[in-house]
Amino acid sequence: DVKVTQSSRYLVKRTGEKVFLECVQDMDHENMFWYRQDPGLGLRLIYFSYDVKMKEKGDIPEGYSVSREKKERFSLILESASTNQTSMYLCASSVAGEDYGYTFGSGTRLTVV
Amino acid sequence: GQNIDQPTEMTATEGAIVQINCTYQTSGFNGLFWYQQHAGEAPTFLSYNVLDGLEEKGRFSSFLSRSKGYSYLLLKELQMKDSASYLCVRSGGSYIPTFGRGTSLIVHP
Repeated sequence: DVKVTQSSRYLVKRTGEKVFLECVQDMDHENMFWYRQDPGLGLRLIYFSYDVKMKEKGDIPEGYSVSREKKERFSLILESASTNQTSMYLCASSVAGEDYGYTFGSGTRLTVV
Repeated sequence: GQNIDQPTEMTATEGAIVQINCTYQTSGFNGLFWYQQHAGEAPTFLSYNVLDGLEEKGRFSSFLSRSKGYSYLLLKELQMKDSASYLCVRSGGSYIPTFGRGTSLIVHP
């Protein structure tokens, strides 16, 4: 019973390409998050969204944008991929206003060559 | 900031007990999560502490001291499958989580 689905497990893209990472959750969660995870740096928040069409910058938004047209879908966009964006990207969702924890997708390992 | 400090790596023997410590900034604190992450996989929820004290859940227990900004995860009767990264996660204002860098636990026979 998959609850947070990321469209790709592994992705290889070329420098300068526009990249879309998709995340879909079926738990009717209000909050959705995009993180990147790098060795020695842990999880860093890129963007999050409290509701449809709402988005907030996280700690490292540069080079990224997001889209939330529907409640269940939160997309991360790399406008012009660069090699320093090679990373593991994790999507997560949570219930609004409560600390019920976060459910993560299985991650997308993106390599930019 | 909301710095979270936890050891980078720990090793332990199968069958033993290990305690993973975490310290965090206390201002604007809501609660403290622990997540387990196996290599190449997504983090999975282990525990959540809001009040001071120890909460036990099978082989895993989690402790919180809000006044000290301190938590630990206690793993008993270690098994090889417990080799993973353990993430200390602080929940603060607006319920946006802040993740520690994780403690890589290596369990050897």
